[in-house]
Amino acid sequence: SSELTQDPAVSVALGQTVRITCQGDSLRSYYATWYQQKPGQAPVLVIYGKNNRPSGIADRFSGSSSGNTASLTITGAQAEDEADYYCNSRDNSGNQVFGRGTKLTVL
Amino acid sequence: EVQLVESGGGLVKPGGSLRLSCAASEFTFSSYTMNWVRQAPGKGLEWVSSISGSSNYTMYADSMKGRFTISRDNAKNSVFLQMTSLRAEDTAVYYCARERTSYYYDRSNYSFDLWGQGTMVTVSS
Repeated sequence: SSELTQDPAVSVALGQTVRITCQGDSLRSYYATWYQQKPGQAPVLVIYGKNNRPSGIADRFSGSSSGNTASLTITGAQAEDEADYYCNSRDNSGNQVFGRGTKLTVL
Repeated sequence: EVQLVESGGGLVKPGGSLRLSCAASEFTFSSYTMNWVRQAPGKGLEWVSSISGSSNYTMYADSMKGRFTISRDNAKNSVFLQMTSLRAEDTAVYYCARERTSYYYDRSNYSFDLWGQGTMVTVSS
């Protein structure tokens, strides 16, 4: 299967830690990538590869992987982290595929 | 400034055609695979197509095969998406995205590390 499965919505209290997960068979062959998207804006790369953050991304964002599951962890969530988060990977045909996204609410 | 700027979106009737362009700035354009990703109103991201740096290979999502054609002009630092036989369900913001490849001992990763601001395509009669 080339699908990536994400929970539709997750909430976290301000300052607490939240984990957003992504499951798919292709994640056994490829590391996932994570994007943050705020309303009306283009997606922004937050985590790629084994656990890499592009320049400018806060170090409270981290990634991990185990088997067919990838996780994005936000340690000490801030109000500005409220956004949609998408995972992405290649599938076994070489095509790119996205998860359906997780809407993160910071309470 | 390193950036991607899309253009060419607009309103088109069902069955019509449209050509999107994406202009790249301040990076070695020919070294990167480029992609188009779209997002229908209120929906998630959907990968559309990719083209390698030298145009050696192109790939398409199944629902776009035979209708969309990706191309690039490295001399003009631009990538294009020719869309034909457009349908209402093609209505979306279309983003141009640069692909970054990372290799590790156990797996690889192909991420979109630079995005344009998007161009809106509306298919409606």
